[in-house]
Order: sequence, then structure tokens, then C-alpha cells
Amino acid sequence: GAVVSQHPSRVICKSGTSVKIECRSLDFQATTMFWYRQFPKQSLMLMATSNEGSKATYEQGVEKDKFLINHASLTLSTLTVTSAHPEDSSFYICSALGLAGGVEQFFGPGTRLTVL
Amino acid sequence: EDKVVQSPLSLVVHEGDTVTLNCSYEVTNFRSLLWYKQEKKAPTFLFMLTSSGIEKKSGRLSSILDKKELSSILNITATQTGDSAIYLCAVLLGGSQGNLIFGKGTKLSVKP
Repeated sequence: GAVVSQHPSRVICKSGTSVKIECRSLDFQATTMFWYRQFPKQSLMLMATSNEGSKATYEQGVEKDKFLINHASLTLSTLTVTSAHPEDSSFYICSALGLAGGVEQFFGPGTRLTVL
Repeated sequence: EDKVVQSPLSLVVHEGDTVTLNCSYEVTNFRSLLWYKQEKKAPTFLFMLTSSGIEKKSGRLSSILDKKELSSILNITATQTGDSAIYLCAVLLGGSQGNLIFGKGTKLSVKP
């Protein structure tokens, strides 16, 4: 099946620094990718929808200037957490919709961000 | 405002029991409804339902969509401890973006 990778799988950074997380569709092209955030023992929260070649659509309450999303190609979307703070520590998951009208989402393995 | 509501929020059963998880939705542009199972990391896709009244089955799991009632159920028969997880319901919206609206999930705990 389709594979989505995320890099890094785990990152620890100091407060105030920026962290970039990559989401790649390895064997298919994805016009749309989603970024989720998960707090421990809670459900996924959709942060934004990333469309190749256009600006991301952010969910209500998500700061677009803090969580920068770039979908520069059909196989890569990046999420940059700018000026990270401890409250940004979380598990970030991306998913990709396949091309040609496919509706199944393929999830990446997630990235654990810890901000000290 | 588009929303997806799942019930119950949590459920504790014993092995062998049958459980029914509920999902209702209010969205402006419905395309499909999806069920996921989440254990540790990223959710695992279970079912996608687009047409009303057609049951989808996979082993002990089955699901059906009722577009008239704007709802779906997920059934798990003969539950096992390995079924313990958070079950997520999500509605895929129509349009070019294909945005997903997630419910809060139902936490299922199956005790031996």
C-alpha cells in the first residue's frame, strides 16, 4: 500500500527555537496532505489542510504564523513550528490523500516533539 | 459549523461482548464517513462509507451508514483485549480540499 514517511520521528529542542517536520508520500503523489496534533490519551486534532502549490487552510484556533506549512511538491509537505514552547510539545501526524480522487488517507508514523 | 459527535466517549466491556459505537454528523458538504482505530501512534483506517444502508465488514468489525439519520455505527462482535483502542469517526467533506472532520473518539477498553 501507499507509504507516508515523516522525519524526524522524534525531536527535542530548546524553547524559542524552530523545528521543521517533513511529511513525504513515498510511492504516490499527494495533492492534499493533512497535519494533525495529538495530545496524550486524546483524539487527533486536525491543524491544517495542505494543498500542493497553494496556501494551507488552517483550522480555527491554530496559529498560522506559528505553524508554518509548505506543500512545495506532490510528495512533500513540511510543518515548521516556529519559536517553539513547552506547550507545543506533542505528537504531530501527517496524512496524505492519494491522487486521482482517492479518499483513503495514508498516515505517517508521526513525530514526537518535546520542547524543553 | 461542521461537527462530528461520537458516543459513548468511553466504554468498558469484557471479552466476548458485542459493542456498538455511534457516530453522528452535521456537515454542509458530506462526501464519506470513515472509521479509524487508534492504538499507539497514527490511526489505522478501518472503513470508508459513502452509500447509505450498505454494510461493510472486516472480520469481527462491521459498519453501516445512515444518511437519513446522519449517522453511522461501528459494531465489534466477540470483543478481544486487542480491540482496546480509541475508535475515531471522521467525515470527509466534498470539494477540492477533502477536509476531514474528526469526532473526539470512543475509548474502548476490553477486559479479560
